[in-house]
Amino acid sequence: AQTVTQSQPEMSVQEAETVTLSCTYDTSENNYYLFWYKQPPSRQMILVIRQEAYKQQNATENRFSVNFQKAAKSFSLKISDSQLGDTAMYFCAPSQGGSEKLVFGKGTKLTVNP
Amino acid sequence: DAGVTQSPTHLIKTRGQQVTLRCSPKSGHDTVSWYQQALGQGPQFIFQYYEEEERQRGNFPDRFSGHQFPNYSSELNVNALLLGDSALYLCASSGHGGAGTQYFGPGTRLTVL
Repeated sequence: AQTVTQSQPEMSVQEAETVTLSCTYDTSENNYYLFWYKQPPSRQMILVIRQEAYKQQNATENRFSVNFQKAAKSFSLKISDSQLGDTAMYFCAPSQGGSEKLVFGKGTKLTVNP
Repeated sequence: DAGVTQSPTHLIKTRGQQVTLRCSPKSGHDTVSWYQQALGQGPQFIFQYYEEEERQRGNFPDRFSGHQFPNYSSELNVNALLLGDSALYLCASSGHGGAGTQYFGPGTRLTVL
């Protein structure tokens, strides 16, 4: 079974600084996707960024970027110029092959302080 | 363009009752997945519907069942409710027959007393 480990239950960062959230996963699939979702206190799950496993280039979405290390099965999220609105739970979620079933980690609670 | 919608927002039931949750996918999407998120945990996959059939199922008992309609909307039914079924139930939709990114609805918070 696919497993996802987010080793940082909680993190905090000052506004405008940079923070990196870690994620490792285990999969036997060769073709899959990796996602980071954020869940603010409203509990709406919001897509942050997506990475295709077959692509070597790391995905970037404005202030959000990933460091994808396929051989190490590592998928970290870097948030630059942190904003108060970034305060949320962040979940790493690889999909299980082409079937698209998402397997979520336990999440990292990020707090951005003013 | 409307996103994924779910109803109701909140629901309170007692043990042994049955409940039906509803989900309308994002426009243009044909695949619906359901997840259960207990307090303090990440979501867990329940099942996925495509072309009105259950395509994949997670580790949930048969008390959890679903349906997809021709317009791609979906229902999640839970029979014989247990206290442990209290959770946030998330619906996610995706396009391209299951090859796209999943977008989530706001969820239905179910409380079982």
